[in-house]
Amino acid sequence: DAKTTQPTSMDCAEGRAANLPCNHSTISGNEYVYWYRQIHSQGPQYIIHGLKNNETNEMASLIITEDRKSSTLILPHATLRDTAVYYCIVRVANSGSARQLTFGSGTQLTVLP
Amino acid sequence: DAGVTQSPTHLIKTRGQQVTLRCSPKSGHDTVSWYQQALGQGPQFIFQYYEEEERQRGNFPDRFSGHQFPNYSSELNVNALLLGDSALYLCASTRQGNTEAFFGQGTRLTVV
Repeated sequence: DAKTTQPTSMDCAEGRAANLPCNHSTISGNEYVYWYRQIHSQGPQYIIHGLKNNETNEMASLIITEDRKSSTLILPHATLRDTAVYYCIVRVANSGSARQLTFGSGTQLTVLP
Repeated sequence: DAGVTQSPTHLIKTRGQQVTLRCSPKSGHDTVSWYQQALGQGPQFIFQYYEEEERQRGNFPDRFSGHQFPNYSSELNVNALLLGDSALYLCASTRQGNTEAFFGQGTRLTVV
């Protein structure tokens, strides 16, 4: 699976949009971009994933560049409860078995009141 | 619908002892993966079980072993505990062919 690069930490004001970048310049054509987050002392939580097109769900939006070498996770209206470590993961999906997730160090997002 | 449940939530063991951690997957899920998360780091994949067999394994020694039962629940066993085994142990469940993994709250293991 391709390697990802994320900033170590970011701050965001409550109520504003949080934009979390991720670089994955070695991504292959059949690899998806996944985002998980981990609130302190809890297990990671799935947020969203995508291949080429931008994706949106009730939690967030995922913007993937046309060359697929980077992506941005957008939390449109950050709240204090969004403070967490956010992990960007690249992996092959639908490969016949649920492949392992390779976590990096992630981005610590702190939402400030 | 209960999600992924792990037991116990916290555990303290002495160096050299053996420990067993348990995981019940989310309803409808048949694949269980185990991860180790040291303080300040991302989770590291240990192994994955499907159809009661180990299917994938990460870079962990043989002291780490597991089992999956017919009801899809799973155990993680660690023998000859080292101080460095102190970590949060996470269980994740999925359904074969599905890409979204659900994680439990983890078991905090402290080796003294």
